[in-house]
Amino acid sequence: GAVVSQHPSRVICKSGTSVKIECRSLDFQATTMFWYRQFPKKSLMLMATSNEGSKATYEQGVEKDKFLINHASLTLSTLTVTSAHPEDSSFYICSATPRQGVPGYTFGSGTRLTVV
Amino acid sequence: QKEVEQDPGPLSVPEGAIVSLNCTYSNSAFQYFMWYRQYSRKGPELLMYTYSSGNKEDGRFTAQVDKSSKYISLFIRDSQPSDSATYLCAMSGTDSSYKLIFGSGTRLLVRP
Repeated sequence: GAVVSQHPSRVICKSGTSVKIECRSLDFQATTMFWYRQFPKKSLMLMATSNEGSKATYEQGVEKDKFLINHASLTLSTLTVTSAHPEDSSFYICSATPRQGVPGYTFGSGTRLTVV
Repeated sequence: QKEVEQDPGPLSVPEGAIVSLNCTYSNSAFQYFMWYRQYSRKGPELLMYTYSSGNKEDGRFTAQVDKSSKYISLFIRDSQPSDSATYLCAMSGTDSSYKLIFGSGTRLLVRP
């Protein structure tokens, strides 16, 4: 089955630094990947849609200069949280859909970011 | 009004019970309906996926979609303690992005 690998699973960083999170589709090509943010006991909030070879589409209210998304290949998308602040601490999850067919989404295992 | 409404629970049932989880939605353009299971601090895992209306069964799980009522359900038969998790409904239309809209999730606890 489709596998999405997300790395790192946990990261602690200091305020003001940047953190990069990777999302890889291991056994399929993903023209589209999605980045979500999840607060404790809350549902997933879509942050942006990442399209291979083009700019990401951000949801309303998401700062594109703070959350940089790059989808340079059909198997890799990255999310960089720039100048992180404690309020950016959250669970970040990516998902991918294969190039063809129906939207059978596969999610990564998530990255817990803690900004201190 | 949210596009997708889901009772957050928690829902507590004894082992072996039949569990019914539900979502309602407002956007008639939704065509794909999914149920995900999420364990604590993990990514969601796709359980069931349905296109348009109808029923779909997979082992102990049955998904139902009633587009006329804009209502979807997930039934779990012979529930087990290992089914304890948060269940998220999700749906999307048929545009090229297949953007998913999630419900808030229902926390389920199956007591031994």
